This record gives sequence, C-alpha cells and structure tokens, in this order.
Amino acid sequence: SYELTQPPSVSVSPGQTARITCSGDGLPKQYACWYQQKPGQAPVLVIYKDNERPSGIPERFSGSSSGTTVTLTISGVQAEDEADYYCQSSDSSVTIGVFGGGTKLTLL
Amino acid sequence: QVQLVESGGGVVQPGRSLRLSCAASGFTFSSYGMHWVRQAPGKGLEWVAIISYDGSNKYYADSVKGRFTISRDNSKNTLYLQMTSLRTEDTAVYYCAKDMGVPAAEYYFDSWGQGTLVTVSS
Repeated sequence: SYELTQPPSVSVSPGQTARITCSGDGLPKQYACWYQQKPGQAPVLVIYKDNERPSGIPERFSGSSSGTTVTLTISGVQAEDEADYYCQSSDSSVTIGVFGGGTKLTLL
Repeated sequence: QVQLVESGGGVVQPGRSLRLSCAASGFTFSSYGMHWVRQAPGKGLEWVAIISYDGSNKYYADSVKGRFTISRDNSKNTLYLQMTSLRTEDTAVYYCAKDMGVPAAEYYFDSWGQGTLVTVSS
C-alpha cells in the first residue's frame, strides 16, 4: 500500500524557518497537500498542489517538491504556528487517499 | 460560508452498526466530491472513503472496505457513512470533508466539519 513518511517532530525557535518533509514513492507523479491541525480542532488546508496556498493562508507558508519528497516551509515561525502538520496525497489512479503520519511542530 | 456538520456518533458495541450524517451548506453540494476522514484518539489522520459529486463513484480504504458504505443525498445536501461490523479499532473522530475539485475530485480537502466521535466498546 502507498505510504507517506514524515518526521514525528520538528523544533524551531520563533522567527526562524521550519521545514517539514514528506516522502513517498508516488510523489513524483501525484501532487501533495498539507494540513495544519491544532489540538481539539479540525485540520486546515495550508498548501495544495505541492505549492499553492489557499486564500486566507499567510504567505509565510510555502510548499515545494523534489523527486520523492515534498516540503512544507514556514518562514518566520510564530507562536500560533505550533501545531501538528500532515501531508496528504492520492494513489496513482486518484482513487485512494493517504496521509502521512504527522509532524508535531514545537517552538523552542 | 461553507459549513459541514456531522452527527450520529456515539458509543456502540463491537459488531454493531452506526450511521453518520454530514449536513452541508454554503456551497453547491451536488458539484463536489466528498470524503470521510477519521482520527483515532491521539493518533494521526486516516482517509476513509470518497464519493463523487453525483454518487456514481465510491472508493474506500482497505481498512473499511466491505464494512462501510458512503452515500449522499444531493436533494438534502447530506453525506452519509453507514458503518457495519464495527471493531474497537474503528474508534475515532470522524470528519466529513469537501473536495476542492469540481466536478472531478482532486483529493484536496478545503473544508472540514468539526467531527463526530464514534466509540466502539463493549
């Protein structure tokens, strides 16, 4: 089955740049997206189609793709960015969805 | 604005059934694919199922295939998830989510409900 792999945790100081990676064999062929989830809340889409930002999402959130890895970059991290982040994609036939295991972003 | 409101969760014994509903408003429901996503307590997100905008196509995660059925009533702007033969490992918050693509699904979920908790326990 198709899997996406994320680091369990990433730590960064306020104002610095956080980078969260997501690896999967299907990523060169399928777009990925990213969600932010804060405790007790539903996820929020922050990046789609590898690097597109939905309206209302701050410009400090950006995405990139290279080979089998996609990366979420948060520039100038703020306290409100502390959350769990999930990458997500679909299988090659675009019928099955898959999430990465999630990365907890912690501010130092 | 888009609003998705899930209902139907609760405590159910293993082997029993439960039906979840998701009432949609604020967008043209009949134009978008819809998904169910779940999250076990303290765990990550798991995609469960998708139904196309017109209900003609349905796909499921292997973990629920043959036990869960996704459906929709476009006249009522409502999405459903019929869950049978429930297992303890199905315990989770179940979210409905709207796909961004129109009409073909693109598997980006731009709106989510607040979720409904299903607890499978004897």
